[in-house]
Amino acid sequence: SQTIHQWPATLVQPVGSPLSLECTVEGTSNPNLYWYRQAAGRGLQLLFYSVGIGQISSEVPQNLSASRPQDRQFILSSKKLLLSDSGFYLCAWKQGANAFFGQGTRLTVV
Amino acid sequence: GQNIDQPTEMTATEGAIVQINCTYQTSGFNGLFWYQQHAGEAPTFLSYNVLDGLEEKGRFSSFLSRSKGYSYLLLKELQMKDSASYLCAVRRDSGGYQKVTFGTGTKLQVIP
Repeated sequence: SQTIHQWPATLVQPVGSPLSLECTVEGTSNPNLYWYRQAAGRGLQLLFYSVGIGQISSEVPQNLSASRPQDRQFILSSKKLLLSDSGFYLCAWKQGANAFFGQGTRLTVV
Repeated sequence: GQNIDQPTEMTATEGAIVQINCTYQTSGFNGLFWYQQHAGEAPTFLSYNVLDGLEEKGRFSSFLSRSKGYSYLLLKELQMKDSASYLCAVRRDSGGYQKVTFGTGTKLQVIP
């Protein structure tokens, strides 16, 4: 069966520090992978999506970047965090009609 | 662009039936998802509709009308644990890419 792992579950980082969130998928190959952010009390905002290794599309201009170094690995990064980067970050994969989320990372920038 | 609209909040009684509506406007439409999200947790997949009609899965059913840009999620025999946010999400195919865009969610409160 397919599973998606995302870590860490919670993170507190100071303003200006770097960020790296990792997401890996098991039990599937060549999945479409997505990074979403959910701010408190708001909907899910699509940040990045990837259809394959090294193929990243950005949905909104922001302080974040994404990379896909391996087929089943999707990384969300920032060189310098802003207060506005706080939120609930979710990795998701989709293949065919199935779409599933990782457990999410709650990021608080202080 | 695309628009996905769903009510912000709803309240229903335990044991009752509730219908959560979602309307959308998008190009390249190729399916609609419903997710359940409990507070502080990741969304969990409930249903996916790509053809018109009703899909039933136990207490939950989802309906889609592509011509009307309309879907609903029907929850029967409500239980207290059904209190959660319900997210409508639209899949759009564009230039060979598949994008999934979410509405802001409907917060459902089930009361005794």
